[in-house]
Order: sequence, then structure tokens, then C-alpha cells
Amino acid sequence: DVKVTQSSRYLVKRTGEKVFLECVQDMDHENMFWYRQDPGLGLRLIYFSYDVKMKEKGDIPEGYSVSREKKERFSLILESASTNQTSMYLCASSPLDEKLFFGSGTQLSVL
Amino acid sequence: RKEVEQDPGPFNVPEGATVAFNCTYSNSASQSFFWYRQDCRKEPKLLMSVYSSGNEDGRFTAQLNRASQYISLLIRDSKLSDSATYLCVVTGGSSASKIIFGSGTRLSIRP
Repeated sequence: DVKVTQSSRYLVKRTGEKVFLECVQDMDHENMFWYRQDPGLGLRLIYFSYDVKMKEKGDIPEGYSVSREKKERFSLILESASTNQTSMYLCASSPLDEKLFFGSGTQLSVL
Repeated sequence: RKEVEQDPGPFNVPEGATVAFNCTYSNSASQSFFWYRQDCRKEPKLLMSVYSSGNEDGRFTAQLNRASQYISLLIRDSKLSDSATYLCVVTGGSSASKIIFGSGTRLSIRP
């Protein structure tokens, strides 16, 4: 079974803090994604990566950056957390057939 | 107009009933189609792919209508455990960023 692991299930941070969300997949997938999910807005793509050190902006990249130094790991960074970044963050990986496998999510609260 | 639209529901049906959801998409060049299921406070999980000829997996049937640009999901003999949010996913093929999620349809099965 594909396993996508997110480092934290719940996280509470203060406004202005730098936040790191880590995601690791064990299936050698090329593509990895970061989404956020908010009530009424569905899943929105923040960034994705199709190879090591490669990244592309999704629909809502402002306020975020990413890092993919190794194929299995894709990190999401909030440079200076703000209250409007309180959300559920979902990491996913995918082989080339576009089926997504999600991690269990990180519920981030920024106070 | 949203690229992928779903009736948000909720659909509230008795156990044993048959229920169907539709999902419309705006990009006629869309290539791949999927249904995901998401339980409350959990990550989305792939339920089934949708093929042009229609496909069935047990009590679940998925169909694609390219002419009218919609996909459908039919659940027969619904169980309490089918209660979840069902997400429609449409992909554009050429870029991983073109994986578009609908906002989901909430289904509640009552005893």
C-alpha cells in the first residue's frame, strides 16, 4: 500500500512564525502536491513538484514556499504565518497516471 | 463558472436506497476522471476511475458523458458506511496542476 506521511496531525502556531510542514512518500512517485482544504472552498492547490528540485506554483502560492531536495520528501513552508493560513493542509503523491494518494492531513491553527 | 461543479448536498437517503450524483466540467479537453471519497476529518481516498465506456465496482457505477461534459456516480443498496463526501476530479492531462477537484457532495445515509 502507498504510504504518504505528514509529520503532524495538529499544529498551533503564532502569527509571524515560520512553519514547516513535512511530507514523505514511500512509493517512488514522481509527482508530489500540497493542497489546502477549507469549508466551502474545496481543495486548492498551493504548489506541486514533478521531480527533485523542481516545483511549480498552483492556484494559491502566495505566502508559501516549498522544497524538494529528495524524491520522497516534499516540504511546505509558511514564511510568516498569518491567521488566514489556518486550514487543513493535505499532501499528496502521484505516479504518472494522475491518481492521487493523500497523507492524513495537518490541521494548522495560526493564532 | 467553476471548472468542476458538484451539487454540495447534503443528500439524506435511507439505507438500501439508490443515490446518484453528477459532476459537470467546463474544459472539453479534459482527459481523465475520478471519484474520491472523503470521510469527516480524513483525507480523500480514490474510490474509482471513470472510463468512457462506464465502469462498475460492486455497488458503485461510474459513467462519463463527454458530449454533455459530466460524470456521474451511482450507489446502489446504500449502506450506513457510505456516508461521506464524494469528490469529483477532472484532469487536463498535460500538467499536474490541471488536476481539478470539485467541492464535493455530502451524502448521509440514515438507518
